[in-house]
Amino acid sequence: QKEVEQNSGPLSVPEGAIASLNCTYSDRGSQSFFWYRQYSGKSPELIMFIYSNGDKEDGRFTAQLNKASQYVSLLIRDSQPSDSATYLCAVRDTGRRALTFGSGTRLQVQP
Amino acid sequence: DAGVIQSPRHEVTEMGQEVTLRCKPISGHNSLFWYRQTMMRGLELLIYFNNNVPIDDSGMPEDRFSAKMPNASFSTLKIQPSEPRDSAVYFCASSSPSGRYEQYFGPGTRLTVT
Repeated sequence: QKEVEQNSGPLSVPEGAIASLNCTYSDRGSQSFFWYRQYSGKSPELIMFIYSNGDKEDGRFTAQLNKASQYVSLLIRDSQPSDSATYLCAVRDTGRRALTFGSGTRLQVQP
Repeated sequence: DAGVIQSPRHEVTEMGQEVTLRCKPISGHNSLFWYRQTMMRGLELLIYFNNNVPIDDSGMPEDRFSAKMPNASFSTLKIQPSEPRDSAVYFCASSSPSGRYEQYFGPGTRLTVT
């Protein structure tokens, strides 16, 4: 059974701070990793994907991948109240197009 | 460009009735995924299609659930008969053959079975 683990939170950070969201996965062969943002009552929205070890930056978002440790993280710099949402980590199953999703971390950015 | 389209957006039905959910993937995408999301179980993959062919339906909870994809631009998820425990938000997502497996989600159908 492939697993993707996330702390459910809530993770509370003050406005302007860095929010750090973490995810571990069990499938050592996984090659593709995704972060989705889901506002309450809305559908998941893709915000970042990463395939290689190291960091990938896109605006205020940085995804970090460590395949040896089976660990992927998302950093949000200069957090804004509008970043308050649930963040879902997803991992592509080896040899398939399907993704396995974690249960999500709820982020609260306090004004 | 239009995103993934789902209908209806909300469905309220009585136990025992048949429910049909519909999805139109993004044009040019050749993989389609049906998910169910609940507070207790999170986002679960029910079934996915590649080039209109069902690849993995191991997530379909039981025989009351069925899914079809008669062509590249349309898919249905049917529940017959429906039960209160089927109440959830059902999402459809699609992905491109030229992408890196990222999936794009529709707005979802909120199903309530009374």
